[in-house]
Amino acid sequence: EIVLTQSPDTLSLSPGKRATLSCRASQTISSSLAWYQQKHGQPPRLLIYETSNRASGIPARFSGRGSGTEFTLTISGLDPEDFAVYYCQHRSDWPRAITFGQGTRLEI
Amino acid sequence: EAQLEESGGGLVQRGGSLRLSCAASGFTFSSYGMVWVRQAPGKGLDWIASIRGSSSSSIFYADSVKGRFTISRDNARNSLILQMNSLTAEDTAVYFCARLNCGTTNCNYLDPWGQGTLVTVSS
Repeated sequence: EIVLTQSPDTLSLSPGKRATLSCRASQTISSSLAWYQQKHGQPPRLLIYETSNRASGIPARFSGRGSGTEFTLTISGLDPEDFAVYYCQHRSDWPRAITFGQGTRLEI
Repeated sequence: EAQLEESGGGLVQRGGSLRLSCAASGFTFSSYGMVWVRQAPGKGLDWIASIRGSSSSSIFYADSVKGRFTISRDNARNSLILQMNSLTAEDTAVYFCARLNCGTTNCNYLDPWGQGTLVTVSS
């Protein structure tokens, strides 16, 4: 079973700064890593799929990269609306399980 | 626009059962795999079950719910179902349905998500 570990648990930054969120897999995974943003009381929203592809309507300040076991989500020029919890997610080929990281809280 | 809406949550006693529904609209429901994900209060996201689009024989469960929960779908009614039995306090969570989308390699990301429905199991 693949385990995804996100770091840091909490990231405190100011608007306009750059945020770098990490997601480490317990074993080498394919490029099928996604990132979601969740605000309080709302469902998760897809930001990035397959490591580096922005979902429809997602601003260009969100970018993803990585390979193997190390993946990052970068938010360039934080907007006040970006302060939320971020999750990485992977779906394994076998067993067909979906795994989430524990989340990174991005706060002001 | 693809949309999902869950219903059926509520308060249930320990050991009881509950049936959740997810109504899909704005896309060809039968063409997509679907999943249930839950989130306990103040906690992270936990996948619990998946079902393939055209074949209800391709179903997967998390170990935490295997044998107690059953995922199914009615493609004629554009509906996803989660039957939950033998509920415990640990099943208290918001339950989300989500569509499974296919990328270049496999079907591996979730979008859209429903707003969620709260299930509370009392002891």
